[in-house]
Order: sequence, then C-alpha cells, then structure tokens
Amino acid sequence: GIQVEQSPPDLILQEGANSTLRCNFSDSVNNLQWFHQNPWGQLINLFYIPSGTKQNGRLSATTVATERYSLLYISSSQTTDSGVYFCAVDPNTGGFKTIFGAGTRLFVKA
Amino acid sequence: DTGVSQDPRHKITKRGQNVTFRCDPISEHNRLYWYRQTLGQGPEFLTYFQNEAQLEKSRLLSDRFSAERPKGSFSTLEIQRTEQGDSAMYLCASSLAGQASPLHFGNGTRLTVT
Repeated sequence: GIQVEQSPPDLILQEGANSTLRCNFSDSVNNLQWFHQNPWGQLINLFYIPSGTKQNGRLSATTVATERYSLLYISSSQTTDSGVYFCAVDPNTGGFKTIFGAGTRLFVKA
Repeated sequence: DTGVSQDPRHKITKRGQNVTFRCDPISEHNRLYWYRQTLGQGPEFLTYFQNEAQLEKSRLLSDRFSAERPKGSFSTLEIQRTEQGDSAMYLCASSLAGQASPLHFGNGTRLTVT
C-alpha cells in the first residue's frame, strides 16, 4: 500500500520561530490533508490540499502532487502550536480510505 | 453544527469482555470513518461507511470487530472478547461525500483492557 513519510519526527522551536514540515508519499493520491492533534488528543483539520498552495493565518501549505510531496509552513510559532502534525492522503486506488503518516511532534517553548 | 460526538470518552474493561462504542457524525455528513490510534502513532484506518453501506474494511479489523451504521446516521463499533492489544484510542470521523471534503474527527474513545 501507499507509504506516507513525515519529517522531521520531532521538532523543538523557540516561540516566534518559523518551521517547515514535510510529507512524502509513495504513490499518486486523490487528495491530501494536514491535521493538528493538540495535547488533549483532538484532531483538527488544517488544510485540504490535493495540489497548489493555501494559506490560513500563520499557516500555509503547498502540495506538489507530481513530485509526491507536501509542505506545511508555520510562521511566528506560538506555544499553542505545540502538538502533533499529521499528513493524510487518499490513495488513487478508488474508495476514500485516508492513510495517515506517523506525524511530526512539535514543541514550542515560551 | 455540533461536531462529531463519541461516547464514551473512556472505557476500562477486563480482557475477554465485549465493548461497544458509539459515534454520532455531523448531521449532514454521509461518510463515517473509524480509526484506531496507539501512543506515538498516526491514526490507522479501520473502516468507512457511505450512508448505511460499509464500503471498505482494513485487515486490522479482525473478526472480533464489527461496525454498523444501521440508518445511515450514528454508528457503533463493537469489539468482542477484548484483548490487551486492543487498548487504544478509537476515533470516529465524518465527511460529506465527494472529492473535496475534509475529515472532521470526534474526541475519541480511549479503551483500556486490563
């Protein structure tokens, strides 16, 4: 099946710093989503981005489907950005089975 | 829009017992998904429904697991003869049908099998 690899696995930032999280996937996909799981376990959808670039406040995401990767940019990080960021894809094999990567664990220090 | 609701939030059971979890999706969403998440891992797909039809099941869903969505609204996930390896967070998500529809997750049910 499709492989979804996220990097880095762990990241520690000083508040105010910028960061880039990467998601590579091994096969073509119908869509791609980025999620944030907060320290209480709630998964929040950040972006639905099968291709192109989107921005939402301090966050933006870019997916280059032909090269099978996506990037999530976090600017001016805040302590509330801490948690785990997941990339999730729907393989282009029919159906809507969304497959998650292992995540990037982010800790933002005050 | 009250969000995806899951019940219970926590369940502690003894090995060998049966457990059932409930998920109420966002009302207009016709797709419903079950995932399992263990500590330090991403959510693992278990199964999904479109309306009342169960369209795909993961190999992770052994014959001890069964999911239903009888009227295309809420769903239940039952685990029979629980094992310690079943301990995990069970997450439910819903979405609209169609390509451009993001998943919305509930807060999950944390199962501990002792």
